[in-house]
Amino acid sequence: SQQGEEDPQALSIQEGENATMNCSYKTSINNLQWYRQNSGRGLVHLILIRSNEREKHSGRLRVTLDTSKKSSSLLITASRAADTASYFCATDFLKTGANNLFFGTGTRLTVIP
Amino acid sequence: GAGVSQSPSNKVTEKGKDVELRCDPISGHTALYWYRQRLGQGLEFLIYFQGNSAPDKSGLPSDRFSAERTGESVSTLTIQRTQQEDSAVYLCASSPTRQGQAEQYFGPGTRLTVT
Repeated sequence: SQQGEEDPQALSIQEGENATMNCSYKTSINNLQWYRQNSGRGLVHLILIRSNEREKHSGRLRVTLDTSKKSSSLLITASRAADTASYFCATDFLKTGANNLFFGTGTRLTVIP
Repeated sequence: GAGVSQSPSNKVTEKGKDVELRCDPISGHTALYWYRQRLGQGLEFLIYFQGNSAPDKSGLPSDRFSAERTGESVSTLTIQRTQQEDSAVYLCASSPTRQGQAEQYFGPGTRLTVT
């Protein structure tokens, strides 16, 4: 499968702690995106990191990309109960003719107040 | 501004019936995608529209699935002779340009239940 895979599948932390989720993929990419999904409905884009970037920040989010290991991590600092959601990585593979993003199976994050 | 909208939000249908799902993308977005998400799973790509180009149908799971888009506006996904395995949330997304260069904006999805 060309899908990315998130790790862990589920994560439960206390409010205020940091949460780290990982994503691995199999083939070369143009870029990698992270999305959040609440309640099994629409996804919300969080951050996009290009293949020539190694780290990117957005508010309490920090994303890293290691193309040599074909992996990315999403760090949420000082977590809040409202961060409870599923988080997906999505990759745009460096493949001629491919138009779609490939989504992983997600990490279910629970932040306990 | 208005985001991507989808209708209906929920649909329950009997096995063998046809269903039609609707997506209204963000105005001006040339790219439109349909995905399917089974319970507890990631998103499966179904079909992609880009402007007036021929759609990329490579993700459609069978010939029971089809989709249309009028210009750069509304899209409909039709599932004929529904089966229980078609039960899922169907998500539509639009983007201002070819995906990979920009984020995708998702609608709230249509939850389809085939009984």
